[in-house]
Amino acid sequence: DGGITQSPKYLFRKEGQNVTLSCEQNLNHDAMYWYRQDPGQGLRLIYYSQIVNDFQKGDIAEGYSVSREKKESFPLTVTSAQKNPTAFYLCASSMNTGANVLTFGAGSRLTVL
Amino acid sequence: DQQVKQNSPSLSVQEGRISILNCDYTNSMFDYFLWYKKYPAEGPTFLISISSIKDKNEDGRFTVFLNKSAKHLSLHIVPSQPGDSAVYFCAASAGGTSYGKLTFGQGTILTVHP
Repeated sequence: DGGITQSPKYLFRKEGQNVTLSCEQNLNHDAMYWYRQDPGQGLRLIYYSQIVNDFQKGDIAEGYSVSREKKESFPLTVTSAQKNPTAFYLCASSMNTGANVLTFGAGSRLTVL
Repeated sequence: DQQVKQNSPSLSVQEGRISILNCDYTNSMFDYFLWYKKYPAEGPTFLISISSIKDKNEDGRFTVFLNKSAKHLSLHIVPSQPGDSAVYFCAASAGGTSYGKLTFGQGTILTVHP
């Protein structure tokens, strides 16, 4: 079955540590996205990538970094510069930049201790 | 600046009745609208969408209505079922190079009682 795999599902981090969230898709989608969800808020776009080796900042990119070395993979690093990293992180993909329907992974919950 | 707003944090309905979830937007560049359903600790799943050239789109028990002049859309679920209990997000896209970049509302928690 095609889909998006995010790992780990739960992650705990000490303050000052960087952490990388994995996102892999086997849907052959061109575009990939990272969103963040906080309680009582909608999903907010962190970074997105329309093609390999290219990515763009979303609305809340500060304190985050990404790479897109392969079409299937779009890892997100939460750096120590992110002031409030505790959140639910969602990775998504779409067929191409002309497609509005995103397919989401199951998410990763990051908790900073 | 909240460009997409869902002003009702929660909605409770009886099984078999109609559920109506509402969404307002402010950005007149939005031309495509979607509804997603989300269960706890899972990713959202796509439910139904509508282009700004239409004012209604149906898919089984789900119908989305778009009122462009009022910048308002709504999702109707008829009849509601207990399995529909979830968080519902509306989302909007501005088209052009913004395809795939969705702006989401805060979500509405729907509870359908047996």
